[in-house]
Amino acid sequence: EVQLVESGGGLVQPGGSMRLSCAASGFSFSSYWMSWVRQAPGKGLEWVANIKQDESEKQYVDSVKGRFTISRDNAKNSLYLQMNSLRVEDTAVYYCARDRRGSYFMFDYWGQGTLVTVSS
Amino acid sequence: QSALTQPASVSGSPGQSITISCTGTSSDVGSYNLVSWYQQHPGKAPKLIIYEGSKRPSGVSNRFSGSKSGNTASLTISGLQAEDEADYYCCSYAGSSTYVFGTGAKVTVL
Repeated sequence: EVQLVESGGGLVQPGGSMRLSCAASGFSFSSYWMSWVRQAPGKGLEWVANIKQDESEKQYVDSVKGRFTISRDNAKNSLYLQMNSLRVEDTAVYYCARDRRGSYFMFDYWGQGTLVTVSS
Repeated sequence: QSALTQPASVSGSPGQSITISCTGTSSDVGSYNLVSWYQQHPGKAPKLIIYEGSKRPSGVSNRFSGSKSGNTASLTISGLQAEDEADYYCCSYAGSSTYVFGTGAKVTVL
């Protein structure tokens, strides 16, 4: 069974940093692109970033470029999102999702999400 | 990277059919037949229900169907059921390994 479990969310002050993790199991993690998708409270979904299997390609939505960094550790079946210079508007539930970039171009499995609150 | 446009809300009675539109541009929806649709119940993670415009993953009801014309994709739910009450999001590949989601549509079963 495919499972994605996010962790690392919480309360952080504006300008602060936070690192999210996503533990994957039930599939060959190193064979898939992975993405982060976020959802602000009461708002819609927003694709944030993705990463290729070997980390050779990473893409970001414009609003987080230069502030967020996506990475992965295939040996640990884990995906990460380092978030720096956080803003109030980054407050959201962050989901990790298996990204079928290169084949079907969709997100077929999602974690349960972790809430990041940016507030003073 | 502007969000795709969906109606804020769509409603229908049990047994009826409803259609949710998803309008993008020639840079996303219009350029690729790579629109996916997700169902999200309150407090839950999104669930994939349509990919590549019209394909259903295993286990998804055939009451859900998708199509595309030009820069607009559509999701049709036939034989509307109470359990279909949820938020629905479209998503399109937008080139250069990026994606863009729709604004979301809340489906209400009357």
